[in-house]
Amino acid sequence: GAGVSQSPSNKVTEKGKDVELRCDPISGHTALYWYRQSLGQGLEFLIYFQGNSAPDKSGLPSDRFSAERTGGSVSTLTIQRTQQEDSAVYLCASSLVAGKSYEQYFGPGTRLTVT
Amino acid sequence: KQEVTQIPAALSVPEGENLVLNCSFTDSAIYNLQWFRQDPGKGLTSLLLIQSSQREQTSGRLNASLDKSSGRSTLYIAASQPGDSATYLCATEETSGSRLTFGEGTQLTVNP
Repeated sequence: GAGVSQSPSNKVTEKGKDVELRCDPISGHTALYWYRQSLGQGLEFLIYFQGNSAPDKSGLPSDRFSAERTGGSVSTLTIQRTQQEDSAVYLCASSLVAGKSYEQYFGPGTRLTVT
Repeated sequence: KQEVTQIPAALSVPEGENLVLNCSFTDSAIYNLQWFRQDPGKGLTSLLLIQSSQREQTSGRLNASLDKSSGRSTLYIAASQPGDSATYLCATEETSGSRLTFGEGTQLTVNP
């Protein structure tokens, strides 16, 4: 079956602009995660959603970052007023259920470059 | 706060060698530990997931072990091949939340 998909695969934006990154999880997976991979910081957790529960936003680096998940499926990560330090690969993952030790499956990522 | 460390940061071996990648973590309150592979410019591919109650998992030429009490895991790759060249990441899922905490990775090069 289809895996986790993300769009766009690459995004170049000017400093100060807003960007939206999209994630389509595996069908039937109730948990969805966003991570960021940048040089010097490694791979770090941003936010996760489990069903209709309030998301765990504890990894978001600033209030310029937000995410939503509509209808328990597709998720959008929004970065407002982008800064050069936001340049990174943003990875989305999904799993059957969060917190039950199910495997997380990752998408190919969106490479964001802020100029 | 969980910290995950991987040693070595990079490894270059000739084809056919058996090799071991190391991962250590500071907080033993984990649900599981996962090993991933990442190819340049690509996402992560899950290789093995070891539940906290398990000691090891095997898949083909890969064997991962977990010693939760000492905060260590190893990934053993038998008879390495050039196609094994990639970055290998380990990650823990803590019981305090569902996030994964990743190590910095080991960049493996297998030379023909």
